[in-house]
Amino acid sequence: SQTIHQWPATLVQPVGSPLSLECTVEGTSNPNLYWYRQAAGRGLQLLFYSVGIGQISSEVPQNLSASRPQDRQFILSSKKLLLSDSGFYLCACDRGPGNTIYFGEGSWLTVV
Amino acid sequence: AQTVTQSQPEMSVQEAETVTLSCTYDTSESDYYLFWYKQPPSRQMILVIRQEAYKQQNATENRFSVNFQKAAKSFSLKISDSQLGDAAMYFCAYRSPRGNTPLVFGKGTRLSVIA
Repeated sequence: SQTIHQWPATLVQPVGSPLSLECTVEGTSNPNLYWYRQAAGRGLQLLFYSVGIGQISSEVPQNLSASRPQDRQFILSSKKLLLSDSGFYLCACDRGPGNTIYFGEGSWLTVV
Repeated sequence: AQTVTQSQPEMSVQEAETVTLSCTYDTSESDYYLFWYKQPPSRQMILVIRQEAYKQQNATENRFSVNFQKAAKSFSLKISDSQLGDAAMYFCAYRSPRGNTPLVFGKGTRLSVIA
């Protein structure tokens, strides 16, 4: 089964600084990839998903962007972080609509 | 668009007892997938159980089982013989079979287990 790696696990960044969260997948090829955000005490919000290299769909207009430079690599970025970008970010993957979505360990981002 | 509703923000259960978490959803599709995910304090999302809508039989995984009522659009999770390690946030999720549509999550239920 697939394994999802995310890094860094924890990040504290000042307002206005850039961001790069990385996610890589092992054990499968051509996966669908997702970035979710979970604010403190709240549910999961889908930010981006990708069905292939260079193909990114954005669910919510925001200060963030995503890229998929390789089949099993998904990157979440920002040029200038806002306080509201703080939260827990989860990368996820699956192999199609009939398959279960699996999640990485997550990355804690605190913007100060 | 599909929506998922978890009406119980918090629940508690005594250790070794049984608890049921509620989930309802709204969809016009006849075929779909339903999931329960557990999020312990570590925050990683762990799949608990999965149900295909075309299957009438309720899914079961050890102490976890579901009561899937398709006509009522209800998908509750029953945890039997509750253990301290079951304490977590539980999320119900819906997935359409169409294309590459992502999961739709409920807002979650926080389960506490009392020793």
